[in-house]
Amino acid sequence: GQSLEQPSEVTAVEGAIVQINCTYQTSGFYGLSWYQQHDGGAPTFLSYNALDGLEETGRFSSFLSRSDSYGYLLLQELQMKDSASYFCAVRDVTTDSWGKLQFGAGTQVVVTP
Amino acid sequence: DADVTQTPRNRITKTGKRIMLECSQTKGHDRMYWYRQDPGLGLRLIYYSFDVKDINKGEISDGYSVSRQAQAKFSLSLESAIPNQTALYFCATSDIGLAGGETQYFGPGTRLLVL
Repeated sequence: GQSLEQPSEVTAVEGAIVQINCTYQTSGFYGLSWYQQHDGGAPTFLSYNALDGLEETGRFSSFLSRSDSYGYLLLQELQMKDSASYFCAVRDVTTDSWGKLQFGAGTQVVVTP
Repeated sequence: DADVTQTPRNRITKTGKRIMLECSQTKGHDRMYWYRQDPGLGLRLIYYSFDVKDINKGEISDGYSVSRQAQAKFSLSLESAIPNQTALYFCATSDIGLAGGETQYFGPGTRLLVL
């Protein structure tokens, strides 16, 4: 089954703020990553949280709480070009010592005028 | 030039045909992956390779095989294509950062239609 849980879709208007939550149940993983994928395109890396707390990169911020196995991606000042799917991912080392990356099912963000 | 390339970008084939999707990378990474993505779904791992002599099955390897010809090349084969293998296929490479995080770099994808 899917180890990472995130909402399937979020809709918001231009200029708004959107928070995409991601929860994961594991006792050992290397941080939380986020990827963006526009319709028909390839996923591209957005951010990585190795430690607890907030990481900010321009309009996007990502947060991790290891004690809660929870993180989120915050999209601020939404623009039409932010309409895309967003995937959270973790490198789980409990079931696989090599720690391959596991992806969530993705959240479709729809930005409306 | 793109760091991860896939050929072909689009392919239409018939049920029962054998086809090969190719992936090349210039990033010098040891780790390479093949994923499939179906409309509205996330990425599902087919096979992965952590070096030239290492091949591992992912969650949906049935009906697929791979070959790691060199560090830079990782090919995916459908031995006998079937319609439910119609999907978007991505190749990816990755490196591991100092903090243990893995960043994956995806190719542009191959759209496969099996009739």
